[in-house]
Amino acid sequence: AQTVTQSQPEMSVQEAETVTLSCTYDTSESNYYLFWYKQPPSRQMILVIRQEAYKQQNATENRFSVNFQKAAKSFSLKISDSQLGDTAMYFCAFMKHVIDLEYGNKLVFGAGTILRVKS
Amino acid sequence: DTEVTQTPKHLVMGMTNKKSLKCEQHMGHRAMYWYKQKAKKPPELMFVYSYEKLSINESVPSRFSPECPNSSLLNLHLHALQPEDSALYLCASRPDVSYNSPLHFGNGTRLTVT
Repeated sequence: AQTVTQSQPEMSVQEAETVTLSCTYDTSESNYYLFWYKQPPSRQMILVIRQEAYKQQNATENRFSVNFQKAAKSFSLKISDSQLGDTAMYFCAFMKHVIDLEYGNKLVFGAGTILRVKS
Repeated sequence: DTEVTQTPKHLVMGMTNKKSLKCEQHMGHRAMYWYKQKAKKPPELMFVYSYEKLSINESVPSRFSPECPNSSLLNLHLHALQPEDSALYLCASRPDVSYNSPLHFGNGTRLTVT
């Protein structure tokens, strides 16, 4: 079974600074996908960024980027120029690649990191 | 704005009541999910429907009964719930055309069982 570990329950960062959230995972799969979701107080889960395991290049989305280390099974999220709207709970998630689309692919979440951006 | 719509936003029910949660999406997605989330915890998978068929049931108690009447609609029927079932219930959907497509979540229904 796959597991996802987020070792930082809570973090704080000053507005406009950079913060990195850590995530490690354990799997025997060779082909899989990794995601970061944010959940603000409005409670909707919003996709921040995703990474395919077969791609060596780290994914970036505007101020958000990842450091994907496949051998180390590490997938950290870097938020640059932090904004007050980035305050949320951040979840790292894993999905294995399944050829049979009928299976419906499970998404396995980490415990989450609460990020507070201070003005 | 979310493309996955969940109703109601809030629901309070007694342990003897019967109620239903509704989830709707019009993105043509063929996989739909129910998750349960306790405060400050990650979502826990309950059910997965793929092409309107139940493909995953994570050993959920029978007092939760899912239904997928068509490709756009997903219901969760509730009966004889316990106070510990109080939680945020999230619906999500996913396209079937891309194997690496992420889940799209709704805003959830906050359920309180009294």
